[in-house]
Amino acid sequence: AQTVTQSQPEMSVQEAETVTLSCTYDTSESDYYLFWYKQPPSRQMILVIRQEAYKQQNATENRFSVNFQKAAKSFSLKISDSQLGDAAMYFCAYRRAGAQKLVFGQGTRLTINP
Amino acid sequence: EPEVTQTPSHQVTQMGQEVILRCVPISNHLYFYWYRQILGQKVEFLVSFYNNEISEKSEIFDDQFSVERPDGSNFTLKIRSTKLEDSAMYFCASIGPESYNEQFFGPGTRLTVL
Repeated sequence: AQTVTQSQPEMSVQEAETVTLSCTYDTSESDYYLFWYKQPPSRQMILVIRQEAYKQQNATENRFSVNFQKAAKSFSLKISDSQLGDAAMYFCAYRRAGAQKLVFGQGTRLTINP
Repeated sequence: EPEVTQTPSHQVTQMGQEVILRCVPISNHLYFYWYRQILGQKVEFLVSFYNNEISEKSEIFDDQFSVERPDGSNFTLKIRSTKLEDSAMYFCASIGPESYNEQFFGPGTRLTVL
């Protein structure tokens, strides 16, 4: 069974600084997708960034980028120039190609200090 | 921007009672999902629904659970006889034709079983 692990329950960063959230996963599949979702307080989860496993290039969306290490089964999220609005719970998730379900990590609560 | 909505935001019920959690997915979306998150635990997949039938379900989704799309706009999750351990946050999600890789989540319904 696939599992996703986020080893940092909480992280904090100064506004304008850079922070990296860690995620590792376990799968025997070769074709899959990885995601980072953001859940602000009392709001729904929204997709931040996704990575297709067959792509070697790391995905980037504005201030958000990932470091995808397929052999190490690692998928970290880097947030550059942190802003107060980045404060949220961040979930790493995995989906096997052709499957329906997302498999989530435990989440990392990110605090931005002004 | 269209959003997935869920009602109620919080439901309190007595053990053994039936509850129906309601979701309105984004209007042109085709795939629908329910997930749950017990306090302090991971978000877990329950069921996916496509073309008016269940396409995948987890071992959590036993005979006490059912899903329905009764009128082309709502997507409901019914728990027939609630148990204390059903207390959790329940999230609905949907996928549309233009964003097959992105699940759009609702804000969740907090179910408390007493």
